[in-house]
Amino acid sequence: KNEVEQSPQNLTAQEGEFITINCSYSVGISALHWLQQHPGGGIVSLFMLSSGKKKHGRLIATINIQEKHSSLHITASHPRDSAVYICAVSTRYTGTASKLTFGTGTRLQVTL
Amino acid sequence: NAGVTQTPKFQVLKTGQSMTLQCAQDMNHNSMYWYRQDPGMGLRLIYYSASEGTTDKGEVPNGYNVSRLNKREFSLRLESAAPSQTSVYFCASSEQGGYNEQFFGPGTRLTVL
Repeated sequence: KNEVEQSPQNLTAQEGEFITINCSYSVGISALHWLQQHPGGGIVSLFMLSSGKKKHGRLIATINIQEKHSSLHITASHPRDSAVYICAVSTRYTGTASKLTFGTGTRLQVTL
Repeated sequence: NAGVTQTPKFQVLKTGQSMTLQCAQDMNHNSMYWYRQDPGMGLRLIYYSASEGTTDKGEVPNGYNVSRLNKREFSLRLESAAPSQTSVYFCASSEQGGYNEQFFGPGTRLTVL
């Protein structure tokens, strides 16, 4: 079993829909990250959180530490939101170094 | 600021050839990382450097070597490329510690024939 599991793997939505992507993890973490990767593009950090909820524009990320679960919500989705969304957890590796363990990503396509 | 830069963007190698992937960051970050991304799998850590002068193996280090040339630069070397090393390689950097955002480069798409 992977340490970081995302669901769904693929998601198609119509413009304007409310979208939820889920992430569950099985290890102790210092932070959880949500990342966005556009086709053929690089990886951009959307959120980093260790408790509660963060909001940036139409994106909302929540985390429940006790349940080891996080969700990424997109309100009023738009075709430009089409991308792969990746959940990653930050854990201590050795010494002062941390490492990220990644989920396999959720491929989102938003159609008109 | 350019952030994290990687060269080259694309590379095709024949089995057995060697090459070095270059990475540089201008954010004065202490920690740097090399990942590979393969279809159906999450990014996996190849090597990392917690600070200038130190390097350590990640999850999938076999077939790779790294050099932390200075605080800015962290290179990844394939001594004898194999088809299993066909992948997209990402370099990233962050401040030290367990609660810091990682900034990613644009990636290098490598094909080994």
